[in-house]
Amino acid sequence: SQTIHQWPATLVQPVGSPLSLECTVEGTSNPNLYWYRQAAGRGLQLLFYSVGIGQISSEVPQNLSASRPQDRQFILSSKKLLLSDSGFYLCAWRGLAGSGELFFGEGSRLTVL
Amino acid sequence: TQLLEQSPQFLSIQEGENLTVYCNSSSVFSSLQWYRQEPGEGPVLLVTVVTGGEVKKLKRLTFQFGDARKDSSLHITAAQPGDTGLYLCAGVLGNYGGATNKLIFGTGTLLAVQP
Repeated sequence: SQTIHQWPATLVQPVGSPLSLECTVEGTSNPNLYWYRQAAGRGLQLLFYSVGIGQISSEVPQNLSASRPQDRQFILSSKKLLLSDSGFYLCAWRGLAGSGELFFGEGSRLTVL
Repeated sequence: TQLLEQSPQFLSIQEGENLTVYCNSSSVFSSLQWYRQEPGEGPVLLVTVVTGGEVKKLKRLTFQFGDARKDSSLHITAAQPGDTGLYLCAGVLGNYGGATNKLIFGTGTLLAVQP
């Protein structure tokens, strides 16, 4: 069966520091991968999605970047964090068959101080 | 840019009451999904609707896709405390089942059912 993991689960970082959130998927090959950000009690904002290794589509201009160095690995990065980068970050992969359901990781809560 | 607006944003009701959540957009979607999210976890899929006018039932939950595939509603009958959570609609852009589909999430409806 397929599983998705992301880490770290919780992160507190000072303004101006770098960021790296990692997401890995197991049990499937060539998945579509997504990074979303969520404000408390609100909807998810699509940040990046990827249909293959090295293929990244950016949805929102910002100081974040994403990379997909391996088929089942998706990384969200920043060189210098801003206060506004705080939030709950969710990685997801999409099944292409049937409904195209999104399967989400456990989430990473980032607080920038 | 948020393409999907949900209403209401917050809803607090008593156990046994009925409620409806709306998801509206000016965009046409190939399909629309509804998710439910618990605090600190990722959303979990409840249902996918594909055809304009389609109605799907999941126990006490009834989902409807608008005829023009721009809007959807979720109706809960006799709500229970276990229904508490964040409800999210998500519109799928692109051909149904296509490899490059994007899912755009709605603004969310936070439901609290009091016992």
